Amino acid sequence: QSVLTQPPSASGTPGQRVAISCSGISSNIGSNTVNWYQQLPGTAPKLLIYSNDQRPSGVPDRFSGSKSGTSASLAISGLRSEDEADYYCAAWDDSLNGPEVFGGGTKLTVL
Amino acid sequence: QVQLQESGPGLVKPSETLSLTCSVSGGSISSYYWSWIRQPPGKGLEWIGYIYYSGSTNYNPSLKSRVTISVDTSKNQFSLKLSSVTAADTAVYYCARRSRGVRGILRFGGYYYNYMDVWGKGTTVTVSS
Repeated sequence: QSVLTQPPSASGTPGQRVAISCSGISSNIGSNTVNWYQQLPGTAPKLLIYSNDQRPSGVPDRFSGSKSGTSASLAISGLRSEDEADYYCAAWDDSLNGPEVFGGGTKLTVL
Repeated sequence: QVQLQESGPGLVKPSETLSLTCSVSGGSISSYYWSWIRQPPGKGLEWIGYIYYSGSTNYNPSLKSRVTISVDTSKNQFSLKLSSVTAADTAVYYCARRSRGVRGILRFGGYYYNYMDVWGKGTTVTVSS
C-alpha cells in the first residue's frame, strides 16, 4: 500500500481535460513540494511536474500541477493518445528524515 | 546532456547480495545527489535511497538494514548493494539524478525543492535460485 493515494485509473477522450488526484498527510504533501512523473509503457519514468506546479523544459503546457494542503492534482488538457501512460505523484516525507514516497500510480487511458 | 546507465547481474540467488552500478555520462557526478528507485513487476515505484557526490547517504527506512549506496567520483559512477535478497526484491532498478532548487528567498519564507530529473533506462533484476 502506497503512502500517497492516487486513483488506480482515469480515462478521457481526445481533446478532453482530465485530472488526477494525489492525497497525503501533513508530514509529506503538507510539508513538502510534489513532483509528478509520467511512465510510458515499457519505459523509465520521466519528470513531468516539479515543485507542485513547475514544468521542465520540453513538457507541453497542456500539463499542469497544483497543490493545496495535503493534496495535489495533475491536470491534462487537450488529451492526446500519446498521453496514455502511468502517472505517479511523489513527495518527501519528514516523518523519519525521509523516505521519498510515491503514490501507487494512475493508469490513464485515452478512449 | 546527462545520461545514466545501470549495469549489473540480471539474476541473483536468494540470500545473496544484489550489486548494481550506475554510470553517469555527459556531465559530472559532482554537486548532485544520486538516487536508486525500484519497481516490482506490475507495481509502483519505491525509493531506495540517495547519495551525495561527497558520500553522505539517506536510505528508505524499510530497506536501511540491507542497503549500501556508494560513489566513485573518479569513475563518475555510483553503486547499489542490497544484501540478503528474496523474491520480493525482484524488480526493475532505476538510477536517477536528484536535483535541487530554491523557490523564493529562504529567510522570507522561501524553500528548497527536490526532484529526480534524469533517469536511467532501468535494469531488471530477478531473485531466483
